Amino acid sequence: QQPVQSPQAVILREGEDAVINCSSSKALYSVHWYRQKHGEAPVFLMILLKGGEQKGHEKISASFNEKKQQSSLYLTASQLSYSGTYFCGTLQGAQKLVFGQGTRLTINP
Amino acid sequence: NAGVTQTPKFQVLKTGQSMTLQCAQDMNHNSMYWYRQDPGMGLRLIYYSASEGTTDKGEVPNGYNVSRLNKREFSLRLESAAPSQTSVYFCASSGLGARSYEQYFGPGTRLTVT
Repeated sequence: QQPVQSPQAVILREGEDAVINCSSSKALYSVHWYRQKHGEAPVFLMILLKGGEQKGHEKISASFNEKKQQSSLYLTASQLSYSGTYFCGTLQGAQKLVFGQGTRLTINP
Repeated sequence: NAGVTQTPKFQVLKTGQSMTLQCAQDMNHNSMYWYRQDPGMGLRLIYYSASEGTTDKGEVPNGYNVSRLNKREFSLRLESAAPSQTSVYFCASSGLGARSYEQYFGPGTRLTVT
């Protein structure tokens, strides 16, 4: 079952912050985050494992709350290069990664 | 290293035609995947191969077949293309060990079925 992301789209000015949420109706053991720039392939950002540990990548960090079955991606002081579509993914089986529908992030100067 | 390569980059088919999308990786990864991406639907897993010699269905396998030719190559075949299969197709691979969860994606194949 596909995780649900919110919001579907965000428009920011450079320097502003954003939060992207990912929730699942199934128990989660890990959440994977990817970013896809327009016309390109998705690129791995980070994985969040059971335990609530925050991870970071550049000024992008994330949290994972397995009790609430959700993860949030935090983009701080956004840069133009952060524009793209962000996907969360959850494992259903050892290898089967199921992605959310994506959140399109637009950063304007 | 080229990473994950896909051919062709673009393809137009008529309804009922068949074709094979090719994927190869040079990272010695065990696992390989095929996804399709449609607007507003995110990435949906078609088939995957956890190791050479094995393949398993993903979320949307109907209308597709796959072959894990060897450790490097994983092909996707459309036997009788339909307009509903118009999409961008991505191949991905992942390895073993500490970073086995990280999937590396190829550049994609844009397929149009008329």
